[in-house]
Amino acid sequence: QSVLTQPPSASGTPGQRVTISCSGSSSNIGSNTVKWYQQLPGTAPKLLIYSNNQRPSGVPDRFSGSKSDTSASLAISGLQSEDEADYYCATWDDSLNAFYVFGTGTKVTVL
Amino acid sequence: QLQLQESGPRLVKPSETLSLTCTVSGASVTNSGYYWGWVRQPPGKGLEWIGDIYYSGSTYYNPSLKSRVTILVDTSKNQFFLELSSVTAADTAVYYCVRKGAYVAATDDWGPGTLVTVSS
Repeated sequence: QSVLTQPPSASGTPGQRVTISCSGSSSNIGSNTVKWYQQLPGTAPKLLIYSNNQRPSGVPDRFSGSKSDTSASLAISGLQSEDEADYYCATWDDSLNAFYVFGTGTKVTVL
Repeated sequence: QLQLQESGPRLVKPSETLSLTCTVSGASVTNSGYYWGWVRQPPGKGLEWIGDIYYSGSTYYNPSLKSRVTILVDTSKNQFFLELSSVTAADTAVYYCVRKGAYVAATDDWGPGTLVTVSS
């Protein structure tokens, strides 16, 4: 059972903006930077956002991340059909012994 | 360019130990500033972090798996390993080996993953 909570699903039509939330606590999101991953069907996850709001080279600027207190968000603007995938947030948790944790995951559907 | 490749038995019997190898090419497991670790994903479910080993040898494990997990490194073969003991059907999953940067957060590389089934 993950300590990072995401909505199970989100959807939008092509061109729309979709936002995914990731809710944590002071020991994880509140204390550490957040990463976001995109997982296309049958493939390994791919890093989409690091350090809360930074994009690795090659990631379109349609993807953006933000963090406030103990929550983080991923926004996809100008939604495209190839954005249909599962999205996960992740960060370290500093409670007792440090451990890494993934969010529960959000399935984005392009209608 | 870094490549990670998982290998090991695809079928493991209940109560036995699951053992996987990650072969690293394009970088050294002794390079400073990296975590080498494992993530798994049960069929149709989300990602679960198993654990990491830091280049210095320090290990970090998921508290829920800690009693059953060991992650080791073989610097001579440039490989690292996962051992998960006393497996049950709940351990059936795709297992990924991963490199994360400790100082460069943009460093985040995954192997293609390997499906391990626990069944008699």
